[in-house]
Amino acid sequence: NAGVTQTPKFRVLKTGQSMTLLCAQDMNHEYMYWYRQDPGMGLRLIHYSVGEGTTAKGEVPDGYNVSRLKKQNFLLGLESAAPSQTSVYFCASRGLYYEQYFGPGTRLTVT
Amino acid sequence: AQTVTQSQPEMSVQEAETVTLSCTYDTSESDYYLFWYKQPPSRQMILVIRQEAYKQQNATENRFSVNFQKAAKSFSLKISDSQLGDAAMYFCAYRSWYENNNAGNMLTFGGGTRLMVKP
Repeated sequence: NAGVTQTPKFRVLKTGQSMTLLCAQDMNHEYMYWYRQDPGMGLRLIHYSVGEGTTAKGEVPDGYNVSRLKKQNFLLGLESAAPSQTSVYFCASRGLYYEQYFGPGTRLTVT
Repeated sequence: AQTVTQSQPEMSVQEAETVTLSCTYDTSESDYYLFWYKQPPSRQMILVIRQEAYKQQNATENRFSVNFQKAAKSFSLKISDSQLGDAAMYFCAYRSWYENNNAGNMLTFGGGTRLMVKP
């Protein structure tokens, strides 16, 4: 099992550019999450999904969109990147006992 | 809204010694879950231990154990026989028991404690 994987691992964008982060899990989990982690802070929830075809806003959703077309994939989109979106992004899926399994993270820099 | 506080930004421990990391939280709920996650320099978030609030018995996973004091809203992590590989950021996290809202799908994280292990 690969667990939770994220693509890409690093990315540099210019202000106003768009991009999509891909998360994939092979554990057949229903729930998936996107978080961001800023320096010296814990993770904050951006969006989440409780199953294929569903998405919901988390704590800090502004400037991001998500899609869950397939159960194993959860995509995070930035339509017009801003320097405030410079962060490390983590995807996670939820296991049987409500624990979350995290991907390795994507470091995004917006200049 | 729930909040999670880790009052120790940094801790250090001698290899093979024991260290305790503190976590307090604020909630009006009676049922919830608590977690400790480890984040080594590789950045991967790794689950260390979990505790259900309705369980009185403290969770234990090998060298890791918790001291869960529900009335005091305290959830500390004890690492015994510390190893060099334990050096990492440690995050305490809270999850609501309830499913059908944001709170039930959020992990609320503390600010983290950086643990250094001295050889």
